[in-house]
Amino acid sequence: NAGVTQTPKFRVLKTGQSMTLLCAQDMNHEYMYWYRQDPGMGLRLIHYSVGEGTTAKGEVPDGYNVSRLKKQNFLLGLESAAPSQTSVYFCASSPTKGRSSNQPQHFGDGTRLSIL
Amino acid sequence: EDQVTQSPEALRLQEGESSSLNCSYTVSGLRGLFWYRQDPGKGPEFLFTLYSAGEEKEKERLKATLTKKESFLHITAPKPEDSATYLCAVEGGSGTYKYIFGTGTRLKVLA
Repeated sequence: NAGVTQTPKFRVLKTGQSMTLLCAQDMNHEYMYWYRQDPGMGLRLIHYSVGEGTTAKGEVPDGYNVSRLKKQNFLLGLESAAPSQTSVYFCASSPTKGRSSNQPQHFGDGTRLSIL
Repeated sequence: EDQVTQSPEALRLQEGESSSLNCSYTVSGLRGLFWYRQDPGKGPEFLFTLYSAGEEKEKERLKATLTKKESFLHITAPKPEDSATYLCAVEGGSGTYKYIFGTGTRLKVLA
């Protein structure tokens, strides 16, 4: 029972390089989320998706793009990496319950990204 | 503006020394308050969901309570394996499916 799987676990990039972070969930959840976690800042929402083919901006979306082509996958892209994007990135997913979304989010173990 | 504040930032306890962690929140129309545990190098692990004032949930040495303004995570007779960062999050009534997280309380339980 894998739950939420993130790849890669670690990555070092140079400023200006691009990369894609992959999130996969095997729980058939409708909602998926990308967060970043920085010291003293808590988890902040970057983008989220309420279903296959849909995406929406969160609290800190600038510099990131996302895609949800398949229900089980949610991709986070950095087109031109900047040192300010050095962070730990977490993906999460949650089920729906009728029209309510107040079901717990389940998290992956994160991708540690350093931008030099 | 929706906001979550956790206190203390860090807490050191002796094994068996009970204590409480606090999560104060401001949100328009609470849809749920969530407690998570996070170990170093890992993602947050779900502990509890509380939906309305007066609700309580228990799991082993942990008990979560909720009022209209705050939630407490009570830890009874903690063990070293309870050492972790405990995160609190709220989901408001705007229907945007977004959590607002606090910055967490780092708990260290000494043997």
